[in-house]
Amino acid sequence: EPEVTQTPSHQVTQMGQEVILRCVPISNHLYFYWYRQILGQKVEFLVSFYNNEISEKSEIFDDQFSVERPDGSNFTLKIRSTKLEDSAMYFCASMGSGRIGETQYFGPGTRLLVL
Amino acid sequence: AQKVTQAQTEISVVEKEDVTLDCVYETRDTTYYLFWYKQPPSGELVFLIRRNSFDEQNEISGRYSWNFQKSTSSFNFTITASQVVDSAVYFCALSEAGGAQKLVFGQGTRLTINP
Repeated sequence: EPEVTQTPSHQVTQMGQEVILRCVPISNHLYFYWYRQILGQKVEFLVSFYNNEISEKSEIFDDQFSVERPDGSNFTLKIRSTKLEDSAMYFCASMGSGRIGETQYFGPGTRLLVL
Repeated sequence: AQKVTQAQTEISVVEKEDVTLDCVYETRDTTYYLFWYKQPPSGELVFLIRRNSFDEQNEISGRYSWNFQKSTSSFNFTITASQVVDSAVYFCALSEAGGAQKLVFGQGTRLTINP
């Protein structure tokens, strides 16, 4: 069964460093998302991406964040200068054709720890 | 604005008991979709069910059942004859039909099934 994959599974970085989180969505999917879950809290939407551009972003997704689909398979989230409060689990999700109410399938997550 | 409330932060039951997880939502849209996801201790988000706003039929899948009531804006989830493997955090989520269809999650309910 096709699945969303994410790398790395864990990342530890120093405050102020740049990190890139990588995702490979399900191959024929067209809509891509990043969500964040701070430890013990709910899952929060960060950004959605379709047709090589951001379609919606949340207040959390400030200028320190960017997303890119550098090739036909990868979807990346970059944090330019990490802060302590960026420590969280980051989930990538993909959705097929964008039919109304279609299911988003999530990757296993990347646990980011900023020291 | 969309909002999902899961008032039960934690529930603990003994194996084989039935347990119901509550979910109440708010939306101004007439077309919307409701989801339940399971997050086991390993951390991934596993899709369980999707329900659209026009379909109030209850659904049963094995030991799982869902009760959708538009009149009370609720989408409750019942596990019958619970098992230890059901222990996880369960999230209810909502997406509206327009735009990027981002998911808005509730706070989650941590369910512990004791042997």
